[in-house]
Order: sequence, then structure tokens, then C-alpha cells
Amino acid sequence: DIQLTQSPSSLSASVGDRVTITCQASHDIRYYLNWYQQKPGKAPKLLIYDASNLETGVPSRFSGSGSGTDFTFTITSLQPEDFATYYCQQFDNLPLTFGGGTKVQIK
Amino acid sequence: EVQLVESGGGLVQPGGSLRLSCAASGFMFKSYDMNWVRQAPGKGLEWIAYFSSSGDAIYYADSVKGRFTISRDIAKSSLYLQMHSLRADDTAVYYCARDFQAGPTGFDYWGQGTLVTVSS
Repeated sequence: DIQLTQSPSSLSASVGDRVTITCQASHDIRYYLNWYQQKPGKAPKLLIYDASNLETGVPSRFSGSGSGTDFTFTITSLQPEDFATYYCQQFDNLPLTFGGGTKVQIK
Repeated sequence: EVQLVESGGGLVQPGGSLRLSCAASGFMFKSYDMNWVRQAPGKGLEWIAYFSSSGDAIYYADSVKGRFTISRDIAKSSLYLQMHSLRADDTAVYYCARDFQAGPTGFDYWGQGTLVTVSS
């Protein structure tokens, strides 16, 4: 199975901050990576697909980059509604796997 | 509007069975690949099963293979997950999720989830 290691597992940030989350794959997954946001008690929401494509309706402050084994997810200016847990997910190989999540908390 | 509504969760004893349902609306159900994803309390996400739009590809995570069966009823626009030999570590919120590409790839719409608790 492909392991996805997200860093950090949690972070504290203020509104307006730039936030960066990394996701490292145990094997080359090309660009087959998605990013999700999950708020407490809610289902995840797709933000980024194919490593760098913004899902329709998602604000442009969210972005993704990377290929191969190293990926980055960025929020350029953190908004109050962005405090949540973020997950990466690969689809290069079965089983589909998720990273362990990064909880973005208010500083 | 795309909607996925899960039902069928509840408390079940270890070794028991349960059938989850997911009612889909707002899109052409038969044209989309579908998945089940679960999340244990306070834990991360785990993909567990996939059903292709053509019906000719079904995949499972090793953790549920041989115990869980994914199926669908096109006429009812519904996806199912039949679960047998349930264990304590199957306790989770179970989400039905639509695949957004010819999959399994990723999930663009999710249901609200249904909680399955396996406990004596």
C-alpha cells in the first residue's frame, strides 16, 4: 500500500496567515493526489484534485502543487472558515489511501 | 443538486451483520462510479469499497475483503454495503461518496455519513 505522510499533524495559525501542509508519498504517485477539507461532524469536501487543480467553487486562496512523492497544499490567507482538518489522498494505486490529516487550529 | 443520503447504521454486536444504504439524487446515478469510505471515531479516513459505473469492477480494501459486499440498484438510485462478521474495529462513520473521474480516483460528493457501532 502507498503510505502518505502529512506534515505537520497540527498547526496553529491566525487569520490572514499563509499555511502550508506537505504530503509525502512512499512511492511515486505521479500527480494522482487530491486534497480534502473536513470540519467537525461533517463529511470531507474536495478542494484540489490531480495535485494542483482547484475544484469548482473552491476559493482561489487554496492551491496545491507537486508530483512524484512530494506535494504541497497552501492556503494563502487563512480565513475563519478555514479552521478544519485537511487530508491528502492518492489514487495511483489501490487501495486508495489518505494521509493522517493536518488539523489547522486558531492561534 | 447532488445528494447522497446514507442510512442503516446502528449498534450491532461483534460477529453481527448490518446493511447500509445510500440514496442518490440529483445526478445520473448509473453513470458514476461509487465508493464507501469510513472514519473511526477521532481517526482519519479509510477507503473501503468501490463499484464502477459499468458494474464490471468492484474493489475492496483488505480490511473488509471477504466480509463486506458493495452493490447497487440502478432503478432505486441506491448504493449498498452489506457487512458481515463485524468487529469492534469496524466501528466508524460510513460515508457514501461519488467518484469524480473514471475511478477509483477521488470523491467529489459525500453523504452525511451513518454511524456503525460494533459493541457487546
